[in-house]
Amino acid sequence: ETGVTQSPTHLIKTRGQQVTLRCSSQSGHNTVSWYQQALGQGPQFIFQYYREEENGRGNFPPRFSGLQFPNYSSELNVNALELDDSALYLCASSLAGSRASYNEQFFGPGTRLTVL
Amino acid sequence: KQEVTQIPAALSVPEGENLVLNCSFTDSAIYNLQWFRQDPGKGLTSLLLIQSSQREQTSGRLNASLDKSSGRSTLYIAASQPGDSATYLCAVTNQAGTALIFGKGTTLSVSS
Repeated sequence: ETGVTQSPTHLIKTRGQQVTLRCSSQSGHNTVSWYQQALGQGPQFIFQYYREEENGRGNFPPRFSGLQFPNYSSELNVNALELDDSALYLCASSLAGSRASYNEQFFGPGTRLTVL
Repeated sequence: KQEVTQIPAALSVPEGENLVLNCSFTDSAIYNLQWFRQDPGKGLTSLLLIQSSQREQTSGRLNASLDKSSGRSTLYIAASQPGDSATYLCAVTNQAGTALIFGKGTTLSVSS
């Protein structure tokens, strides 16, 4: 069974640039969620994708957008980067629609984004 | 709005001690509750998941309880080891089953 993978591991961008982060879900999972974790804080929910559609969104502006592909992998895109976007971005996958899974979310190792 | 609080923020214990980490949440309408472990700069490892209808779950030296009516969960770690040193995060899933709402975590340090 392959776990959740994310790329790249680290990324440095300057203010105003755009960034794309990638996530491959765990084998057998159909749902991907993205979280932002600032230093010393708990992760904050950005959005979730299920069957290639956004299935819930947290309190993040529209410059945070995403995609899910037919193989359930996902991208997080952030436009017009701001200094406060510097954080660890975590992707989690789960199996929705299965009572046995209880929507348990499994996380990848994260992408550390630094905005200068 | 659901809020999750974890107490204490940090904890230092000698090896071998039993310890309890606390988590409270403001809205009892949850789908489930998960406890995670996070090593510095790393992703989250799921430790235990408690369904909203359950009272506790156990895995090895870990036991988690859930009292929905009082909005509380505890994570009990038996016979702590230096390898248990990490940040422990509690998260509740909203009733729609989509978002995890996290506390800020408890940073545990176990000395040998």
